Amino acid sequence: DVKVTQSSRYLVKRTGEKVFLECVQDMDHENMFWYRQDPGLGLRLIYFSYDVKMKEKGDIPEGYSVSREKKERFSLILESASTNQTSMYLCASSWDSNQPQHFGDGTRLSIL
Amino acid sequence: AQTVTQSQPEMSVQEAETVTLSCTYDTSENNYYLFWYKQPPSRQMILVIRQEAYKQQNATENRFSVNFQKAAKSFSLKISDSQLGDTAMYFCAFMNTGTASKLTFGTGTRLQVTL
Repeated sequence: DVKVTQSSRYLVKRTGEKVFLECVQDMDHENMFWYRQDPGLGLRLIYFSYDVKMKEKGDIPEGYSVSREKKERFSLILESASTNQTSMYLCASSWDSNQPQHFGDGTRLSIL
Repeated sequence: AQTVTQSQPEMSVQEAETVTLSCTYDTSENNYYLFWYKQPPSRQMILVIRQEAYKQQNATENRFSVNFQKAAKSFSLKISDSQLGDTAMYFCAFMNTGTASKLTFGTGTRLQVTL
């Protein structure tokens, strides 16, 4: 089974802090994704990556950046956390362009 | 840009009954994939079923089946013999072919299965 692991299940940070959310997959997947999930809005794509060191903006990239230095790891970075970034963050990966995504358990991030 | 609409924020069904969750989408593409994902209280998103647009036959997975109407851009999920473990958020999602498997999600339907 595919395993997508997110480093934290719950995280509390303060406004202005730099926040790192880590995601690791163990199936040598090409593509990795970061979403945020908010009630009534579903999942919205923040950034994705289709190869090491490659990244593409999703639908809501403002206030975020990403890093993919190794194929198995995809990091989401909040450069200066703000309260409107309080949300559930979900990482996903997929084998190639036509395969379904596999998700991690999510990180519930609170910015105080 | 593609959009996915789930018009039922919440639904309830009794155990052993059948329920249908609605999903419509908008696209100008001809080849694409559609998915239903389930998110139980444990939070992990689980793939329930997948439909390829070029296939006319509706996908089925055990108690789960879809009614795919390509011309109407409709993709509903039918759950037969509902079980308490089916209680979850259900998300409909759209994916263009050849786009690094980017998904566009609907806003979700919260399904409660009751005794």
